[in-house]
Amino acid sequence: DTAVSQTPKYLVTQMGNDKSIKCEQNLGHDTMYWYKQDSKKFLKIMFSYNNKELIINETVPNRFSPKSPDKAHLNLHINSLELGDSAVYFCASSQGTDTQYFGPGTRLTVL
Amino acid sequence: QKEVEQDPGPLSVPEGAIVSLNCTYSNSAFQYFMWYRQYSRKGPELLMYTYSSGNKEDGRFTAQVDKSSKYISLFIRDSQPSDSATYLCAMGGFMDTGRRALTFGSGTRLQVQP
Repeated sequence: DTAVSQTPKYLVTQMGNDKSIKCEQNLGHDTMYWYKQDSKKFLKIMFSYNNKELIINETVPNRFSPKSPDKAHLNLHINSLELGDSAVYFCASSQGTDTQYFGPGTRLTVL
Repeated sequence: QKEVEQDPGPLSVPEGAIVSLNCTYSNSAFQYFMWYRQYSRKGPELLMYTYSSGNKEDGRFTAQVDKSSKYISLFIRDSQPSDSATYLCAMGGFMDTGRRALTFGSGTRLQVQP
């Protein structure tokens, strides 16, 4: 059984489009995260939700809007996509601040 | 200065070698330390997790933390080609602003040659 799953795995789209990435965890964790990994493999936290409440919101353009309908899901919606948004986006979950488990990633390419 | 510094490599070693991967950090509030392994086109997976200074061993892997020097290491004994991956250090703790997510190093790419 997949612990943290993301859809889609690959996303290719044009500049200016709006897209969403979905994340689900079946570990019963109370905290979920979105990370962005650039071409140099640097993982940077974007958002963190604890029990559906936003607790971390790093300096991210407001074109990025997370949404947590319940503890097991954290979605990421991106408006007006730009070339610089091309990256791999990882969802992760943890129980409190304990070990984080990562999803397989969504590779976003903006043309 | 980045909070966590890690040499990006690549580090190329022959099979069977002992590998040493390192990170330094500047924030003394970090309380727990982790090493993740990331294969190409996959998500990071946890290898080692430790709270305290000293060594922690798990099979061929040993994690070492020196809080006084703000330095952590991961040693891999008898390295195998299957160990070829990017290794990311990560650290976290309760900061002044409250709970925080992990801060990652930029990762070291390791290649073990058969």
